[in-house]
Amino acid sequence: RKEVEQDPGPFNVPEGATVAFNCTYSNSASQSFFWYRQDCRKEPKLLMSVYSSGNEDGRFTAQLNRASQYISLLIRDSKLSDSATYLCVVNRGSGNTPLVFGKGTRLSVIA
Amino acid sequence: DAGVIQSPRHEVTEMGQEVTLRCKPISGHNSLFWYRQTMMRGLELLIYFNNNVPIDDSGMPEDRFSAKMPNASFSTLKIQPSEPRDSAVYFCASTRTGLNQPQHFGDGTRLSIL
Repeated sequence: RKEVEQDPGPFNVPEGATVAFNCTYSNSASQSFFWYRQDCRKEPKLLMSVYSSGNEDGRFTAQLNRASQYISLLIRDSKLSDSATYLCVVNRGSGNTPLVFGKGTRLSVIA
Repeated sequence: DAGVIQSPRHEVTEMGQEVTLRCKPISGHNSLFWYRQTMMRGLELLIYFNNNVPIDDSGMPEDRFSAKMPNASFSTLKIQPSEPRDSAVYFCASTRTGLNQPQHFGDGTRLSIL
């Protein structure tokens, strides 16, 4: 089983739609979780951290289910500028360990 | 604040040549990571340093790859000799050591080996 698995997509949605991405991770000892965004031919950039209780940042909501080892990202009221690849990121184990990046889910928001 | 700075942005060279990629981490960050990204494999961790010390280089594909961090503000990734299959985007990232610390990436070096 891969350390971090994501549906590669692409997800093609109209402007204003709500879209959700899921991600599963294999290491139950992982403690740090993030969503990154990567635009075409650019570097990955931190979108948001994911906390145990779930957290929201504007139109973006992240949730963590430790029992199922599952992370989600919900984008409401999609904008054209949300078109990008979204990377699910988990640390390799407990404590200070490197991050493992999923291959990403591609989103295209269409006018 | 200056982010992670990588150079060169692009490199095109012939196979067999030595390639050196450079990275300056964010000031105050004590962990540095080198990644390679391709369409097929995604983002792969090659090696990382804590406080200038290499901790895990198990991701380095072959002996042709080597990395150094002589001080807290500079690291190099060297490929010698280079091969066409080394063509990829190479990213450097840095972070503060600790839980829930995200990594910050440089712009990357787009490497093409002909």
